[in-house]
Amino acid sequence: GQNIDQPTEMTATEGAIVQINCTYQTSGFNGLFWYQQHAGEAPTFLSYNVLDGLEEKGRFSSFLSRSKGYSYLLLKELQMKDSASYLCAVPGSNYQLIWGAGTKLIIKP
Amino acid sequence: GAGVSQSPSNKVTEKGKDVELRCDPISGHTALYWYRQRLGQGLEFLIYFQGNSAPDKSGLPSDRFSAERTGESVSTLTIQRTQQEDSAVYLCASSLIGALQGGGYTFGSGTRLTVV
Repeated sequence: GQNIDQPTEMTATEGAIVQINCTYQTSGFNGLFWYQQHAGEAPTFLSYNVLDGLEEKGRFSSFLSRSKGYSYLLLKELQMKDSASYLCAVPGSNYQLIWGAGTKLIIKP
Repeated sequence: GAGVSQSPSNKVTEKGKDVELRCDPISGHTALYWYRQRLGQGLEFLIYFQGNSAPDKSGLPSDRFSAERTGESVSTLTIQRTQQEDSAVYLCASSLIGALQGGGYTFGSGTRLTVV
């Protein structure tokens, strides 16, 4: 079966760096997605990793280790608008994504 | 259209009534998904349409739930005899082929359903 784990909630300070971890167990592997979801809004695509290593995209970076079944999303220079839930997802067996429950990130001034 | 459009954005209905939710995907997107998200929880897969193939209905929670899609266009999700536990945000997403292509999904803004 497939299982995804991520922390329920994290708190960080404006201007700081935060790392949101995601571990997964899947029978096959076809990449890992990160999405951002602001309260009351739909999720929006952040990143997709299919190979090991770190991919940087502005203030956000995503890391993948396939051998460890592990990924993290790194957010730098945190801004208040980064307060949101961050969802980790992997493709399931039928071309649909299996989602983690999301990590609620709270940014404090 | 430019994005995934869902209607209505909010729906309040009485227990036992039927509701119909609509999703208009991005033009050219062959894959369409419906998800349910209860307050403070993750996304729950409901159903997946891919072109003219038979839909994957494995996530529908009961026979009160059904969905249709005409070709590669609009989809409707119908909930019959609504129950209070059906209260949630229903999200529709579309993608070019499937999520495995790496393009990810584009979500609509959802329909917030409240059953009273």
